[in-house]
Amino acid sequence: SAVISQKPSRDICQRGTSLTIQCQVDSQVTMMFWYRQQPGQSLTLIATANQGSEATYESGFVIDKFPISRPNLTFSTLTVSNMSPEDSSIYLCSGDSWSNTEAFFGQGTRLTVV
Amino acid sequence: AQSVSQHNHHVILSEAASLELGCNYSYGGTVNLFWYVQYPGQHLQLLLKYFSGDPLVKGIKGFEAEFIKSKFSFNLRKPSVQWSDTAEYFCAVNAPNTDKLIFGTGTRLQVFP
Repeated sequence: SAVISQKPSRDICQRGTSLTIQCQVDSQVTMMFWYRQQPGQSLTLIATANQGSEATYESGFVIDKFPISRPNLTFSTLTVSNMSPEDSSIYLCSGDSWSNTEAFFGQGTRLTVV
Repeated sequence: AQSVSQHNHHVILSEAASLELGCNYSYGGTVNLFWYVQYPGQHLQLLLKYFSGDPLVKGIKGFEAEFIKSKFSFNLRKPSVQWSDTAEYFCAVNAPNTDKLIFGTGTRLQVFP
């Protein structure tokens, strides 16, 4: 099984600033995803991080707000741009591969925007 | 659009009680089904999964789930819960070749000694 390291684990940020979250997998994975888990709610998929190309965003999420990079098969970043208090949430990355047939998750980043 | 419903938002049980958490999905095609667990302060972990075959799936820590296609359900069960089962439980579904997981709203389980 893959191990996913995500950092930072938590941060408190001023509104209007940006935060970049990093996700490192200890083995190559085919797919990587970014989710958001707002307080008291379930996980919502933000986007699929594609290696070497633009991420594929779900409805309601745009690249200008959540730029994503995935330079190789084991690393991805999500930036939360121009933050507002509504962005306060837990952000999680996950990865899976065709051989594993299950998704593995990072520890999550708890973001508080003040 | 695919969606997943978990009707039990918060369940409180005593140790040794039996557990059943409901999960229904809305997708007419072939699906893969998952239950994930998130223990306090920890990351999401896979509890069990169903892809095909025997509709009764056994997972870790004594959990099992039954896929009932006619009811679009994948309920999670455990005959006797323990205090250490206190956690948040998420049902999830994806259609083959999409890899995207659609999560239910989660069920918070509290088990008291």
